[in-house]
Amino acid sequence: EPEVTQTPSHQVTQMGQEVILRCVPISNHLYFYWYRQILGQKVEFLVSFYNNEISEKSEIFDDQFSVERPDGSNFTLKIRSTKLEDSAMYFCASIQGEGYEQYFGPGTRLTVT
Amino acid sequence: DQQVKQNSPSLSVQEGRISILNCDYTNSMFDYFLWYKKYPAEGPTFLISISSIKDKNEDGRFTVFLNKSAKHLSLHIVPSQPGDSAVYFCAASRVDSSYKLIFGSGTRLLVRP
Repeated sequence: EPEVTQTPSHQVTQMGQEVILRCVPISNHLYFYWYRQILGQKVEFLVSFYNNEISEKSEIFDDQFSVERPDGSNFTLKIRSTKLEDSAMYFCASIQGEGYEQYFGPGTRLTVT
Repeated sequence: DQQVKQNSPSLSVQEGRISILNCDYTNSMFDYFLWYKKYPAEGPTFLISISSIKDKNEDGRFTVFLNKSAKHLSLHIVPSQPGDSAVYFCAASRVDSSYKLIFGSGTRLLVRP
């Protein structure tokens, strides 16, 4: 069964460093998303991406964040200058078409020290 | 911004009995509701969904009920099995909002053998 994959599973970085989290969505999916979950809190929407552009972003998704689909398979989330409060699980998700059931990857645990 | 609320952080039931997980929402513009199951160190897994034009959807042991007037939905699991032990998230979405999911805070279900 097709699945969303994410790398790395765990990333440790120092405050102020740039990180890139990678996702490979399911191949025939068209809508892509990033969510995050800070420990003990709810899963929060960060950004949606469709037709090679951001379709919606949350207030969390400030200028330090960017997304890219550099080729036909990868979908990346970049944090330019990480802060301690960026420590969280980051989940990538995708939808095949105009629908609602999003398929999530296993997540990347980002630890900022 | 608590548009989707799960007021019970945890629930414990005996194997074979019914588990009922509840969810309330405040935004009447939501047109689709979903339940996700999450194990530690994994991404959310889609379980069952319901459109706002319906009041019930059933899939095997899982049934979701929607009461639009009360802005309330519930997930029934019958019979509950130990493998159902996980965190369950309620989520809501709107067709005009890039299908992004707004999650509740989750309910940890423990099914005792």
